[in-house]
Amino acid sequence: GQNIDQPTEMTATEGAIVQINCTYQTSGFNGLFWYQQHAGEAPTFLSYNVLDGLEEKGRFSSFLSRSKGYSYLLLKELQMKDSASYLCAVNLDYKLSFGAGTTVTVRA
Amino acid sequence: SQTIHQWPATLVQPVGSPLSLECTVEGTSNPNLYWYRQAAGRGLQLLFYSVGIGQISSEVPQNLSASRPQDRQFILSSKKLLLSDSGFYLCAWSLTRDTEAFFGQGTRLTVV
Repeated sequence: GQNIDQPTEMTATEGAIVQINCTYQTSGFNGLFWYQQHAGEAPTFLSYNVLDGLEEKGRFSSFLSRSKGYSYLLLKELQMKDSASYLCAVNLDYKLSFGAGTTVTVRA
Repeated sequence: SQTIHQWPATLVQPVGSPLSLECTVEGTSNPNLYWYRQAAGRGLQLLFYSVGIGQISSEVPQNLSASRPQDRQFILSSKKLLLSDSGFYLCAWSLTRDTEAFFGQGTRLTVV
């Protein structure tokens, strides 16, 4: 919804780095969130960006460029447990809308 | 700390039957509350949100309705379920309109 675009699938090797991009419409922007969702479970909150720049939280980092309507989630030192769907969510006009999610598969 | 409870975890209902899913939040006052639906292999679709008791906004026209009878209680209902109502229903809360949302465990509904 709300033209939030992210790749459908990505595959990476254990220990590697993966970057998941997200683009969105910029009108009414009030913040961008990344969530992790394992199969059959509810999404869990990972990160929040409202100002331009990089937010780092351990192995996960998230970047935002408001003028470009662009964000990415960077996953470092990938572990098998990182295999999940990663959802980009944008608060537009105070409603949280989600992209379809990027399924990341980590291979040994 | 805040917690969110959603039940039941799974539900199988016949077409035409009613539905009532309940969600409660503990540890906070006047939360923003949300109902989302996730169809298989698809993103989360916002169904309803509420900023206070009795205040419900509907995002998608459908045969579902929502109510907020108490500050921390949010209920999703239907009078007659359709096959297309099958999906993963998620309740969520946030502190304000522009902060992160936290999700309940979800209800997997199958309409048969």
